[in-house]
Amino acid sequence: EDKVVQSPLSLVVHEGDTVTLNCSYEVTNFRSLLWYKQEKKAPTFLFMLTSSGIEKKSGRLSSILDKKELFSILNITATQTGDSAVYLCAFPSSGTYKYIFGTGTRLKVLA
Amino acid sequence: DADVTQTPRNRITKTGKRIMLECSQTKGHDRMYWYRQDPGLGLRLIYYSFDVKDINKGEISDGYSVSRQAQAKFSLSLESAIPNQTALYFCATSDSRGYSNQPQHFGDGTRLSIL
Repeated sequence: EDKVVQSPLSLVVHEGDTVTLNCSYEVTNFRSLLWYKQEKKAPTFLFMLTSSGIEKKSGRLSSILDKKELFSILNITATQTGDSAVYLCAFPSSGTYKYIFGTGTRLKVLA
Repeated sequence: DADVTQTPRNRITKTGKRIMLECSQTKGHDRMYWYRQDPGLGLRLIYYSFDVKDINKGEISDGYSVSRQAQAKFSLSLESAIPNQTALYFCATSDSRGYSNQPQHFGDGTRLSIL
């Protein structure tokens, strides 16, 4: 059965800190892994990763995939209070286009 | 205007009532999904539809039904609501064209409380 586990479940940091969020997965036929940010409303798309070792970057956020060890990390440098959110990872389930979501990491950044 | 619009945004109702949640999209996507989100359980798929004539059950479809009225509209019904269906419900869309596994785009959610 395909599954995804995110860690930590929650994290509290101060502005300016760097954080690393983890997403471990088990899937029979890997195609891609996606990261989303969820503030108070809808999850919004951040990155899609399909190949190992290629870092995706967007400003202070970056993500990388390790297909051998079956995990992805999302890094946020110089955190700001606006980074406070739940970060979700997801991937398409084997043989389908349904997406399986992790339970998320809740990040709180204190001023 | 939002690309994926859910109505209502909030709803409080009583056990046994029939509820319909509506979703419409202007993104032109063919795939639409309904999820519920509960604390500690993440997003769980209720139903999904890959086109107007295609409806599929997700992992937690019991107690729910859906209707794909048009490519742009996908509604979720609770025929007889029960308290454990209290949750935040999201509609999402994705595009099957181009490369596979396109990201999903979510509506702002409907917060449903069943007393």
